[in-house]
Amino acid sequence: GNSVTQMEGPVTLSEEAFLTINCTYTATGYPSLFWYVQYPGEGLQLLLKATKADDKGSNKGFEATYRKETTSFHLEKGSVQVSDSAVYFCALNSNTGGFKTIFGAGTRLFVKA
Amino acid sequence: NAGVTQTPKFQVLKTGQSMTLQCAQDMNHNSMYWYRQDPGMGLRLIYYSASEGTTDKGEVPNGYNVSRLNKREFSLRLESAAPSQTSVYFCASPGLAVGDTQYFGPGTRLTVL
Repeated sequence: GNSVTQMEGPVTLSEEAFLTINCTYTATGYPSLFWYVQYPGEGLQLLLKATKADDKGSNKGFEATYRKETTSFHLEKGSVQVSDSAVYFCALNSNTGGFKTIFGAGTRLFVKA
Repeated sequence: NAGVTQTPKFQVLKTGQSMTLQCAQDMNHNSMYWYRQDPGMGLRLIYYSASEGTTDKGEVPNGYNVSRLNKREFSLRLESAAPSQTSVYFCASPGLAVGDTQYFGPGTRLTVL
């Protein structure tokens, strides 16, 4: 079945450091890939997405590229800020299988000033 | 346009008590989902409704029931609450296409003593 695996946290970085959160997936068909972010005490909200291979999603300085050959969708940001501290979820939607959206376990990011 | 709303935001129950969590969306979406979020477990799907009048079990349906009251509303009921149901509950509603975002409510923090 479909699945998403992302790196375990927590990840602790200093402000202005480079961020990578790894995400790999297993899916049949042609999934769409997403990164969601959850700030403390809130629900999840979309950060970025890519709907086909080689697409790059970007938002708020974050980027991720849909790599079909490596089944990956790694999240990157060149210079993190304290306000980026949150939990990040990788997810996929597929038109095959019983459930439309599969989420990874989430990676908590702490950014220190 | 409020998106997805949930009530209540917080609830404390005693073991054996019952309660209903309410969810409504104003985006005219067909699908609605209930997830629970536990520390280190990511999101787990409890029940979902692909369209008005239909409901299906997700990964962890035991101890819960749902009602898709109409296209807007999807409620989750705990008939006899147990401490293992202490969690944060999120309602979500995706768009129609595989590439569409899931929109999440703000969550209900439930504690069962």
